[in-house]
Amino acid sequence: QSVLTQPPSASGTPGQRVTISCSGSTSNIGGNTVSWFHQLPGTAPKLLIYSNNQRPSGVPDRFSGSKSGTSASLAISGLQSEDESDYYCATWDGSLNVVVFGGGTKLTVL
Amino acid sequence: EELLVESGGDLVQPGGSLRLSCAASGFTFSIYWMDWVRQAPGKGLEWVANIKEDGSQKNYVDSVKGRFTISRDNVKKSLYLQMNDLRAEDTAVYFCARNLMRASCLWGQGILVTVSS
Repeated sequence: QSVLTQPPSASGTPGQRVTISCSGSTSNIGGNTVSWFHQLPGTAPKLLIYSNNQRPSGVPDRFSGSKSGTSASLAISGLQSEDESDYYCATWDGSLNVVVFGGGTKLTVL
Repeated sequence: EELLVESGGDLVQPGGSLRLSCAASGFTFSIYWMDWVRQAPGKGLEWVANIKEDGSQKNYVDSVKGRFTISRDNVKKSLYLQMNDLRAEDTAVYFCARNLMRASCLWGQGILVTVSS
């Protein structure tokens, strides 16, 4: 059972906009910034979003992040087949003094 | 090119020990926090531990406290994870990562640790 709650799956058709939610508590998302990672099977994760809504260089602006209270969201617009991947949210938990990850969301492009 | 390369993964019996290494190249290793993150087969990501730039601060997930030790050698540009009293549930791919949740985040390719008799 992950400290951060994500839907196990999400899907969309090419060109659509999809959002993935990440729910936490005041000790983690509520008090710290959120990052998002994506991971293709058999490969290392890669950073997509940091500090709630910032994109590292090289990440397309189709990807955007937001945070409100104890929840965060990742939005992907103009969905492409190569976006099919696993997506994870993460943040620091000040009560546990650990980094916590969401359980991951498998995105399928139909 | 900035690289992190893990090594030291192996098949080990329950109760055994293993030391993972992560060699950094292409960047100034000593100015970054470093993390270990693991992923059990078919499962999600689990953060394991991190260490401050100068090694003065370390944090661990509860499930490895007292068994795992994170350390670093800034001269050798290397990160380590000493794993003792290994259990079947420690079986995973272990990734080292730089500045896990900042723009300068960088991951290694991962190394497999299998704990089985």
